Amino acid sequence: NAGVTQTPKFRVLKTGQSMTLLCAQDMNHEYMYWYRQDPGMGLRLIHYSVGEGTTAKGEVPDGYNVSRLKKQNFLLGLESAAPSQTSVYFCASSYPADATGQGSIQYFGAGTRLSVL
Amino acid sequence: KQEVTQIPAALSVPEGENLVLNCSFTDSAIYNLQWFRQDPGKGLTSLLLIQSSQREQTSGRLNASLDKSSGRSTLYIAASQPGDSATYLCAVAALSGYALNFGKGTSLLVTP
Repeated sequence: NAGVTQTPKFRVLKTGQSMTLLCAQDMNHEYMYWYRQDPGMGLRLIHYSVGEGTTAKGEVPDGYNVSRLKKQNFLLGLESAAPSQTSVYFCASSYPADATGQGSIQYFGAGTRLSVL
Repeated sequence: KQEVTQIPAALSVPEGENLVLNCSFTDSAIYNLQWFRQDPGKGLTSLLLIQSSQREQTSGRLNASLDKSSGRSTLYIAASQPGDSATYLCAVAALSGYALNFGKGTSLLVTP
């Protein structure tokens, strides 16, 4: 069981460079999320998707773009990296709330450690 | 905006002790609350999920309670072991069912 797989695991960028982080899940989950984790700040939601072809902004979306072309993949893009985007990025996925409104567990990947110099 | 606070920020206990980690949140309009474990350099592992209609959940030596009206949750760890050493994160799901609002975590060290 792979679960949620993030690539790459580590990356160093120079200011102004671009890159794409890939998240893949094999649990047939509808919902997918991108979070960033910074010391003293906790995890914060960047963008999320409730289904193939749909995306929405989270708490800290500026400087990032996302795409969900396939149900199993959720891509996070940095068009022009800035030092403030140095962080650990986590992808997560889950089923939607069920018919009774009960939410479900979010499953997380191992993270991508990004440094922007 | 939902604010999630975890107390204490760090905790060190000898092996075998029972311990309680605390989580408080400001907006009681939640879908559910989740407790996660994070090991250094690793991702998050879900430990327990409590739906908004539930009062507690148990898994092995772990018991989590939820008092939605007072905006509080506790994670009780019985008979702690060195392998329990990790950061424990509390997260509250908004009514939309999408976003999780995380606390900053409690770093736990269990010494042999």
